Amino acid sequence: AQSVTQPDIHITVSEGASLELRCNYSYGATPYLFWYVQSPGQGLQLLLKYFSGDTLVQGIKGFEAEFKRSQSSFNLRKPSVHWSDAAEYFCAVGELNTGFQKLVFGTGTRLLVSP
Amino acid sequence: DVKVTQSSRYLVKRTGEKVFLECVQDMDHENMFWYRQDPGLGLRLIYFSYDVKMKEKGDIPEGYSVSREKKERFSLILESASTNQTSMYLCASSSTGRASFYGYTFGSGTRLTVV
Repeated sequence: AQSVTQPDIHITVSEGASLELRCNYSYGATPYLFWYVQSPGQGLQLLLKYFSGDTLVQGIKGFEAEFKRSQSSFNLRKPSVHWSDAAEYFCAVGELNTGFQKLVFGTGTRLLVSP
Repeated sequence: DVKVTQSSRYLVKRTGEKVFLECVQDMDHENMFWYRQDPGLGLRLIYFSYDVKMKEKGDIPEGYSVSREKKERFSLILESASTNQTSMYLCASSSTGRASFYGYTFGSGTRLTVV
């Protein structure tokens, strides 16, 4: 079965500094990969997704992620963090079966932004 | 703007009560999902549905049931609420088919407290 590992529970970054959130997955075939963000008390919002093609994908709010098959990773990056980026971030892999699709989520990484 | 709407943002219920959490989507999606979210545990799938009147158990179905009488509505039922069901509940929907799978659209969540 597919699984997703987000090894960092919390990360603190200074405002203006760069950010990288790690995500590793296990999946036999080419995966469908997603990053979601959850602001406090809210649902999850899709940041970006990877299905195929260019391994560097751009998302909303200035985020990007790079798919590296050799490392089974899909790390999320942002060159300059803003205070409004403080939130919880979830990586997910799509489990594609006949008739429906399920996402398997990591346990999340909480991003704290210091002044 | 496409939406998944959860009927309540906050609910407080007593132990033993029967609780209904409602979710409605306006995207004509075939698939709908109920997750619960707890700190450190990420998102855990309770039930999902890939068609009207169809349902499948997720990873943690005990103590819950679901109903999907119409395509747009997916209800989560706590037959006899217990304090260990205090949690954030998230509803999501998605389309069927590899070409149209763009991940989930989430509702804003219902924070349920059972006292």
